[in-house]
Amino acid sequence: DAGITQSPRHKVTETGTPVTLRCHQTENHRYMYWYRQDPGHGLRLIHYSYGVKDTDKGEVSDGYSVSRSKTEDFLLTLESATSSQTSVYFCAISTTDSLLTDTQYFGPGTRLTVL
Amino acid sequence: KNQVEQSPQSLIILEGKNCTLQCNYTVSPFSNLRWYKQDTGRGPVSLTIMTFSENTKSNGRYTATLDADTKQSSLHITASQLSDSASYICVVSAGGTSYGKLTFGQGTILTVHP
Repeated sequence: DAGITQSPRHKVTETGTPVTLRCHQTENHRYMYWYRQDPGHGLRLIHYSYGVKDTDKGEVSDGYSVSRSKTEDFLLTLESATSSQTSVYFCAISTTDSLLTDTQYFGPGTRLTVL
Repeated sequence: KNQVEQSPQSLIILEGKNCTLQCNYTVSPFSNLRWYKQDTGRGPVSLTIMTFSENTKSNGRYTATLDADTKQSSLHITASQLSDSASYICVVSAGGTSYGKLTFGQGTILTVHP
């Protein structure tokens, strides 16, 4: 599992409340990612980071923000949660800097329900 | 728009039988293609990764093939086991873009019955 943990693993919240999900890695990998997975869709990239304080948007970034103040932690924040953000969220890391050979390792996921 | 389509959506087979899952993609420029296995309630786990120059790669009972000309890939599972029950996801990486821009298929749900 490349030393990836996510917290919390499950969360139920109400519409309009802020939510922060944490991804923690123990192996100092440079690249980290946040995905969401929904029925009928493949995994979709929300944001990714290529270093401390260096982040970029993915294809479904609206309504989400991220921060990476330390190599080991990548935080995903829903500023004001909506029911459409009910999903399973996966964090991932890349083990190499090579576009050709990198393998992404995924965390166990966080199941978020917004009521 | 980059797309990855997988077929069938779901498949049921008996333990010990072989099966083949398909992946068609329209990702350009192509960098590599990966197959992941995702058990229920867990994150995806990488099975194989193939670059443009590779047309087959094996990982135990899993063999992936790639035809870059027709933009098709297949994942063949030999002598299936109950533990093979999972979702299998085809993922294509577009070269020349920002790092991490992968296109995921929706997955094929495989169920292996005893």
